[in-house]
Amino acid sequence: AQSVAQPEDQVNVAEGNPLTVKCTYSVSGNPYLFWYVQYPNRGLQFLLKYITGDNLVKGSYGFEAEFNKSQTSFHLKKPSALVSDSALYFCAVRDTGSARQLTFGSGTQLTVLP
Amino acid sequence: GAVVSQHPSWVICKSGTSVKIECRSLDFQATTMFWYRQFPKQSLMLMATSNEGSKATYEQGVEKDKFLINHASLTLSTLTVTSAHPEDSSFYICSVDRGLNYGYTFGSGTRLTVV
Repeated sequence: AQSVAQPEDQVNVAEGNPLTVKCTYSVSGNPYLFWYVQYPNRGLQFLLKYITGDNLVKGSYGFEAEFNKSQTSFHLKKPSALVSDSALYFCAVRDTGSARQLTFGSGTQLTVLP
Repeated sequence: GAVVSQHPSWVICKSGTSVKIECRSLDFQATTMFWYRQFPKQSLMLMATSNEGSKATYEQGVEKDKFLINHASLTLSTLTVTSAHPEDSSFYICSVDRGLNYGYTFGSGTRLTVV
């Protein structure tokens, strides 16, 4: 079975400061990992993914994430937060097995304060 | 990138009626689509996997007779909430599986309110 944990329900950061949104995962094989962002009453927008290769993945809107196999983590980061980054962020995992569906974390509400 | 159109974006219906939600893959032939349900300030819970030309695969605890899924073509999957009740009120989101290289694309969601 695959699972994802986002330990923080809420993250607050001042505009211009770096931000980190944490994610840890559990899969039986190798993971495919994703980050999505959701604005109110909207679907999910893709930010970035890790399939294989470089552990540091760069994505949309200046976000990046680092895959750490030993810690089973895939934390989302951005060097300088913007107020417009305020949204709900979801980490998701898919096993390399036959099941193709994503399993989502519980979500982290990011608030960037002006 | 691929575009997924979900319609309607919101719907209000009376208890006991049925509501159909459409998910269209506009520029990608999708053999597999997923339907999720999201409660306020909660995560997405997978309801079912929609397979083109065959029966949908439902997650444990999801009533297949209540949530009817039809995936008759490579560009359209529909979710029908039958005999809706207030507890079915939720945000429903579809997703298209475009393969690992291209990832998953999500519809904009449907807010269902049953009164």
